[in-house]
Amino acid sequence: DAGVTQSPTHLIKTRGQQVTLRCSPISGHKSVSWYQQVLGQGPQFIFQYYEKEERGRGNFPDRFSARQFPNYSSELNVNALLLGDSALYLCASSLDLAYSYEQYFGPGTRLTVT
Amino acid sequence: SQQGEEDPQALSIQEGENATMNCSYKTSINNLQWYRQNSGRGLVHLILIRSNEREKHSGRLRVTLDTSKKSSSLLITASRAADTASYFCATKNTNAGKSTFGDGTTLTVKP
Repeated sequence: DAGVTQSPTHLIKTRGQQVTLRCSPISGHKSVSWYQQVLGQGPQFIFQYYEKEERGRGNFPDRFSARQFPNYSSELNVNALLLGDSALYLCASSLDLAYSYEQYFGPGTRLTVT
Repeated sequence: SQQGEEDPQALSIQEGENATMNCSYKTSINNLQWYRQNSGRGLVHLILIRSNEREKHSGRLRVTLDTSKKSSSLLITASRAADTASYFCATKNTNAGKSTFGDGTTLTVKP
């Protein structure tokens, strides 16, 4: 079975632009979460979606938004990009919401804002 | 501040030696997961340990959890150069929402 997939792998954007990142969870997984990882730090939680509904939101500005589709894939949108948004964006999926389920991560999208 | 904090920040050992990394957290948890990350790539899931468990094994990995001390440890036995990576612990204390990560331990295994 394929793992979590993310696209694109790398992205370079200019300040003020908008970006959309995509994630496909492991087949059968219904929960998708997004994390931002700045160089040298651990991942920071942005959003969690389950059955197309937002079930958790981290401490990120409203410029960040996401959605989940009926096939459980997900998109993360970031508007009005700032230099500080440069990071590795990670998507993770889990079978369900229950805490007993492992969370599996994709390879990430490296976003560079210039 | 982060819920989980790994210690040490960096660890350098020779191939064949054991590596121990520790994770401390602040609030009660439902589970704790350990991950490995190579050179800024995606995180690889290693082990999940639930709050009612004290120890789990997976191959050369051994994880312990002490909820009274709010700490966990990851032991890698007979380390290999391929174990060189950053290791993160992540805690979860609700059924929905976030896993909270520390800033990781960078392990270097010298051949």
